[in-house]
Amino acid sequence: LAKTTQPISMDSYEGQEVNITCSHNNIATNDYITWYQQFPSQGPRFIIQGYKTKVTNEVASLFIPADRKSSTLSLPRVSLSDTAVYYCLVGDIPTGGFKTIFGAGTRLFVKA
Amino acid sequence: EAGVAQSPRYKIIEKRQSVAFWCNPISGHATLYWYQQILGQGPKLLIQFQNNGVVDDSQLPKDRFSAERLKGVDSTLKIQPAKLEDSAVYLCASSLYPGQGALEETQYFGPGTRLLVL
Repeated sequence: LAKTTQPISMDSYEGQEVNITCSHNNIATNDYITWYQQFPSQGPRFIIQGYKTKVTNEVASLFIPADRKSSTLSLPRVSLSDTAVYYCLVGDIPTGGFKTIFGAGTRLFVKA
Repeated sequence: EAGVAQSPRYKIIEKRQSVAFWCNPISGHATLYWYQQILGQGPKLLIQFQNNGVVDDSQLPKDRFSAERLKGVDSTLKIQPAKLEDSAVYLCASSLYPGQGALEETQYFGPGTRLLVL
């Protein structure tokens, strides 16, 4: 299983773009990259998922370089409500064997 | 659609007592997960069910923890006897099994049960 490494915490200000990078050097060919967001006293919530290049949805963008050994979650123009823990996960979905391993995540603090 | 339901939301027990948590997944979701999340850490998978069957319980402390998913829908997680280190939030999640049309194996989490063992 590919292990992921993320910064423990990050600070930002409202209106800024935030980029959180996740390292997954041992990612396998069939592995997808998934990001979850967790607010205090809530369960994690799916944000975005990708396999390669760039994926964008209404919440975030996910950038994955060609070697797929890292990925970057980009949150445009953050607000105070984006203060949360962000988890990067790597797993093999198509075979149904997606083993969910959450690391410690990145604690994002958005300041006014 | 209704989300993942869990009960109780909070529970305080003394060590060596037993406790049970209940989870009702999203309708139609074949896969159900139980996680333990200790304060300041990411969720740790305890057990994963595919319909009625166990897919992965490698991190479940089987000497004190047990889980079942009767009829492939609701699930219960039990701890007996509880230890101080079991104090944590217990999260239940569910997902569509790939092959049911799920493009992504998105896990939908419930609000969790916060357990305090004194």
